[in-house]
Amino acid sequence: DIVMTQSPDSLAVSLGERATINCKSSQSVLHSSNNRNYLVWYQQKPGQPPKVLIYWASTRESGVPDRFSGSGSGTDFTLTISSLQAEDVAVYYCQQYYRTPLTFGGGTKVEI
Amino acid sequence: EVQLVQSGGGLVQPGGSLRLSCAASGFTFSSYTMSWVRQAPGKGLEWVSAITGNGGATYHADSVKGRFTISRDNSKNTLYLQMNSLRAEDTAVYYCAKDPFYGDSWSSFDYWGQGTLVTVSS
Repeated sequence: DIVMTQSPDSLAVSLGERATINCKSSQSVLHSSNNRNYLVWYQQKPGQPPKVLIYWASTRESGVPDRFSGSGSGTDFTLTISSLQAEDVAVYYCQQYYRTPLTFGGGTKVEI
Repeated sequence: EVQLVQSGGGLVQPGGSLRLSCAASGFTFSSYTMSWVRQAPGKGLEWVSAITGNGGATYHADSVKGRFTISRDNSKNTLYLQMNSLRAEDTAVYYCAKDPFYGDSWSSFDYWGQGTLVTVSS
C-alpha cells in the first residue's frame, strides 16, 4: 500500500498569513504515461464530508478560492493557503489515486 | 445538481448486521464508480469499498473483506453496503462518495453523501 504522511498534524496561523501543509507518499504517484501526479487535496469542516480542493496535485477545483494552491511532484506535495481566512479553519487531507488501495494522509488541522 | 442521500446506520451489537443505502441523483449513476469511505470518531479517512458503474468489479479493504459487501441497483440509482459480523472497530461515520471520472476508474471523490454514523456496541 502507498502510505501518505502529512505534516504537521496541526498548525495555528494568523488571519491573513500563509499556511503550508506537506504530504509525502511512500512511493511516487507520478504516472509516466501522462506526466500527472495522482494526488488530491480535501478540506473537511466539522460535521461535514470532505470537499475537493485540488486534484492532479495542482489543479484547483472549480469554485475553490485562488488562495488555495497545490504543488509538488513524485513523492512530495504541498498545499498552500496564501492568506488564511476564518472560514479556512478545517482539517486538510491528501489522498493518492495512483494505485489501489486508495489511501489518505492522516490529516492536518488548521486553526487560527 | 448531484445529490447523494444516505440512510441506514445506527446502533448495533457486536456481531450484528446493518445495511447502508445511498440514493443518487443529478448524474448518470450507472456510469460512475461509487465508494464507501469511513471515518472513525476523531480519526482520519479510510476507503472501505468500491464498485464500478456496471457492478462488474468491486474492492473491499482488508479490514472489512469477507464481512462487508458493496452492491448497487442502477435501476434505482442506489448504492448499498451490507455490513455483517460488525466489530467495535467498525464504529465510524460512513460516507458514500462518487468518483469524478466517467468509466471504471477508482480515483478520488468529487461528491459525498452527508454521512451516517454506525456505532457497534453492546
